[in-house]
Amino acid sequence: KQEVTQIPAALSVPEGENLVLNCSFTDSAIYNLQWFRQDPGKGLTSLLLIQSSQREQTSGRLNASLDKSSGRSTLYIAASQPGDSATYLCAVNSNYQLIWGAGTKLIIKP
Amino acid sequence: DAGVIQSPRHEVTEMGQEVTLRCKPISGHDYLFWYRQTMMRGLELLIYFNNNVPIDDSGMPEDRFSAKMPNASFSTLKIQPSEPRDSAVYFCASSFSSGTRGETQYFGPGTRLLVL
Repeated sequence: KQEVTQIPAALSVPEGENLVLNCSFTDSAIYNLQWFRQDPGKGLTSLLLIQSSQREQTSGRLNASLDKSSGRSTLYIAASQPGDSATYLCAVNSNYQLIWGAGTKLIIKP
Repeated sequence: DAGVIQSPRHEVTEMGQEVTLRCKPISGHDYLFWYRQTMMRGLELLIYFNNNVPIDDSGMPEDRFSAKMPNASFSTLKIQPSEPRDSAVYFCASSFSSGTRGETQYFGPGTRLLVL
């Protein structure tokens, strides 16, 4: 059974710092891995999607990597801004379903 | 496109009452998902449909929960009778295809349900 773990559960950093969020999964047989953002009281927004054949994806200040063999993904946020404050969730597409991590709550202090 | 639309946005009801949550997926999407999110259990998939047909309802907690998709533009999730432990945020999401080729899911804003 696929399980997805995100570490840390919460992170608070000063504005301007670069940071890394971690996601691990137990079964490497995946179609893709996605990173989502959730703002308080809102729905989820897809940030990046990495197909199983890819190693990384970039969008602006965000870079996501995927190491399928070790069951790990990282989300790198460069030059963090207060507007980046949100909960970031990792989801693995396994057996046609998304299996979700519990999320990392990120606070960027001005 | 207006995105995935859910109604109501908030629902407060008393234990034992019937609750119906509604979802309008993005036009053209052939997959529709119902999720539940709580602090304790995180985001859980309840059921998903492909071309209006339920494919996997193994996440539905019990017989009190039922979901229908009578047409490509409308789905409902019903709880009857509701219980306090059903209090959660319920999300509807839709996508084009199953996501195995890289299609992401688009989420609605959620319905915040409180059962007293």
